[in-house]
Amino acid sequence: AQKITQTQPGMFVQEKEAVTLDCTYDTSDPSYGLFWYKQPSSGEMIFLIYQGSYDQQNATEGRYSLNFQKARKSANLVISASQLGDSAMYFCAMREPGTGRTGGSYIPTFGRGTSLIVHP
Amino acid sequence: NAGVTQTPKFQVLKTGQSMTLQCAQDMNHEYMSWYRQDPGMGLRLIHYSVGAGITDQGEVPNGYNVSRSTTEDFPLRLLSAAPSQTSVYFCASSYSIGTPNTEAFFGQGTRLTVV
Repeated sequence: AQKITQTQPGMFVQEKEAVTLDCTYDTSDPSYGLFWYKQPSSGEMIFLIYQGSYDQQNATEGRYSLNFQKARKSANLVISASQLGDSAMYFCAMREPGTGRTGGSYIPTFGRGTSLIVHP
Repeated sequence: NAGVTQTPKFQVLKTGQSMTLQCAQDMNHEYMSWYRQDPGMGLRLIHYSVGAGITDQGEVPNGYNVSRSTTEDFPLRLLSAAPSQTSVYFCASSYSIGTPNTEAFFGQGTRLTVV
């Protein structure tokens, strides 16, 4: 079973509109962290936003906010007022305690990504 | 600040050849890892290390070896390259692996083609 599921392979949005990118996760550990990264066409991975499992409020970073619904195990990324430069791949990731020789280490797992295209 | 440096950026190998992808970080991060990125598959973890001398396998370790003799370096070795290893490889590091809230810093990626 996938730990991180991003069900939208591709999304389109009009410039200046808001868009929500979906992410659901699967873990039985009460302590975990959720992240979103952006990968523009140039290829680098850019950290956007973080949400901890014990955080009471949804995380926000400028135009990015994370709609964290713990009971539903979802961590959707909301981008407000989309810009042309937001066109990119977006990856949801989770850190949870690992197993094996490094048990207790929080190993990140990534989803398959969502391609966002912003139209003018 | 250099951050995470990967070399080379591009590489073409013939089937059966071996090579090493280099990764170095100058942030004194304890955690380093290698991912491969394939279309529609996202980033999949190959190997990781939580400190010098400690490595473990990720989701897709077959065909790859790693070692961590220093905090700074975490090379990825392809023992006998196969076309299935054609991919973009990312090295990532984090300051700590003992808490869930540490962001990962990524290198620029290595685009590897095996013919």
